[in-house]
Amino acid sequence: RKEVEQDPGPFNVPEGATVAFNCTYSNSASQSFFWYRQDCRKEPKLLMSVYSSGNEDGRFTAQLNRASQYISLLIRDSKLSDSATYLCVVNQAGSARQLTFGSGTQLTVLP
Amino acid sequence: DVKVTQSSRYLVKRTGEKVFLECVQDMDHENMFWYRQDPGLGLRLIYFSYDVKMKEKGDIPEGYSVSREKKERFSLILESASTNQTSMYLCASSYTYGTAKLQYYEQYFGPGTRLTVT
Repeated sequence: RKEVEQDPGPFNVPEGATVAFNCTYSNSASQSFFWYRQDCRKEPKLLMSVYSSGNEDGRFTAQLNRASQYISLLIRDSKLSDSATYLCVVNQAGSARQLTFGSGTQLTVLP
Repeated sequence: DVKVTQSSRYLVKRTGEKVFLECVQDMDHENMFWYRQDPGLGLRLIYFSYDVKMKEKGDIPEGYSVSREKKERFSLILESASTNQTSMYLCASSYTYGTAKLQYYEQYFGPGTRLTVT
């Protein structure tokens, strides 16, 4: 079983739609969580850190469920510019060394 | 804004050549990383450094070495390039924030070097 699992997609949604991605992690000792976005042939960029109670940044909402060991990312009112691959990242043990990246979920927002 | 730069965007080398990839960050981050990214395999950690002259092996260190002589600079060295090292190489740096109980390590990436070994 992979340490961090994501549905690879692709998710194809119309502009204005709401879309949600889930990510599961296997290590219950995981401490901190992040969502990155990666555009085609570009580097990953930090989208959000996920705090224990969940957090919101504009159209983006991240939630954490420690009991079920998953995190989610909700995008409301999708824009064409949201098209990218979204990477779930888990920090296993509070060590800078131990960040594990999921393989990513591909999103395409259609006009 | 955090800035992480890498010496080349694209590089073509021949099998057996020694290859140097350089990474510089301007935010005084203590941690620096080298990853490679391949389709279907995601990001894999090659080496990590948490201080000058300190390094730790990542998940796939074979065939690579690193050097960190200055805090802002982290170099990846392919001692004898092989075709299976053709990949996208990403450098990242991170800092620590949070509390003693819960620490966050947000990583910031450079633009990547697409290396082709022929």
